[in-house]
This record gives sequence, C-alpha cells and structure tokens, in this order.
Amino acid sequence: GAGVSQSPSNKVTEKGKDVELRCDPISGHTALYWYRQSLGQGLEFLIYFQGNSAPDKSGLPSDRFSAERTGGSVSTLTIQRTQQEDSAVYLCASSQDWADTQYFGPGTRLTVL
Amino acid sequence: AQSVTQLDSHVSVSEGTPVLLRCNYSSSYSPSLFWYVQHPNKGLQLLLKYTSAATLVKGINGFEAEFKKSETSFHLTKPSAHMSDAAEYFCVVSDNSGYSTLTFGKGTMLLVSP
Repeated sequence: GAGVSQSPSNKVTEKGKDVELRCDPISGHTALYWYRQSLGQGLEFLIYFQGNSAPDKSGLPSDRFSAERTGGSVSTLTIQRTQQEDSAVYLCASSQDWADTQYFGPGTRLTVL
Repeated sequence: AQSVTQLDSHVSVSEGTPVLLRCNYSSSYSPSLFWYVQHPNKGLQLLLKYTSAATLVKGINGFEAEFKKSETSFHLTKPSAHMSDAAEYFCVVSDNSGYSTLTFGKGTMLLVSP
C-alpha cells in the first residue's frame, strides 16, 4: 500500500516568510510524528499527534512553529517568519498506534535564504 | 530518559567483507530498539526492530542485530557488504514509557569500496 507522503519535496523561501509543510500518513495510522534533520543537530523530535490531538509539543523549537492535524489524517507543519536556522529536512512519520513501528516519509527539504 | 550513542561516525569496508556498526543505548525502561537506513536524498527505511521477543533480530537485505542487555548494546552486522549498502544508518531507541517518541543516534555513514 501507499506509504507516508510529504509535500513539497523541496521548498526555498526568503527569511521572514511563512511556510507550510504537508504530511499524508499511511491510511488508518492514528499516530503521526514530525521530526527535523539538520547537519548540526541530527534528527530531532518536534511534535506527536494521536488522532487530531497533540499530547506532546515539547520538541517545537519556538512559538514560530505550529502544527495541526485534521480528520485524523493529514497534518500541516507551519513555520512563521522563517529564519536561516530553520533550514533542514522535515520528516513525518506515522504508526498504527502510539506503540507501533513508525514509518517515515521522504521528507521536505527547506532552505531559508 | 533515553539516549543512543553510535560509536563511529564513518565506517569504510570493501565489497564482500563483513559490516559492523556499533550502537550503545541507555533507557529507564525496557526499550524497543531499531535500525533505520537512509540512502542519499531518500527517506528513512526500517531495517529491523527489537521488542524483547528474541535477542537476535534479522532484518531486510541480510542485516541482523543482537540485543545485549548486559552491555547495553545493539550492534548491526552483515556478513558481506554490497555496494548498494552504502548509506547512513541510524540506531534508534524508544523507552516504551508512554507514546513512542524515538531518540536517534547521530548516524553512521557506511562507505563501501569495490
């Protein structure tokens, strides 16, 4: 079946602009995760959704970052007033339930000029 | 709290020789452990997973890993490297204390020469 998909695959933006990154999880997966992969920091957890709720937002690096999930499916990660340090690959993963194996999407490479 | 240490940032092998990628972990609970592989410009792919059923775990593409609680290790091995194995490998821990947030190691880049 279809895996996790993310769009866009690449995004180049100017400093100060807002961006939206989209994740389509595997159908039927109730848990959804966002991670960030950058050269200096490795892979970092950002936020976790169970259904449409986000029990853990502890990884969001600042209040410029927000995320939502609707219909227990698609999730959007929004970064407002982007900064150069936001440049990274943003990865989404989903799992059937909170304790199950996570399956990753291909990521969105964000470049902030 | 949980953490993962991958002992080598880079490992170089010749095609046909064995592969050993080392990983040590710490966890306050009985952990689940994973190895993921990431090929250039690709997403993360699950290689194998340990969840306490058996200490020797076999994964895809001939890889396997052994969970050693006394050594807090979960090293990844393969008897014979292929050129297609060249990629970055991540050791990952989940402490199963609640929802399954993963903690990633820094990664090991495997280089395979002809």
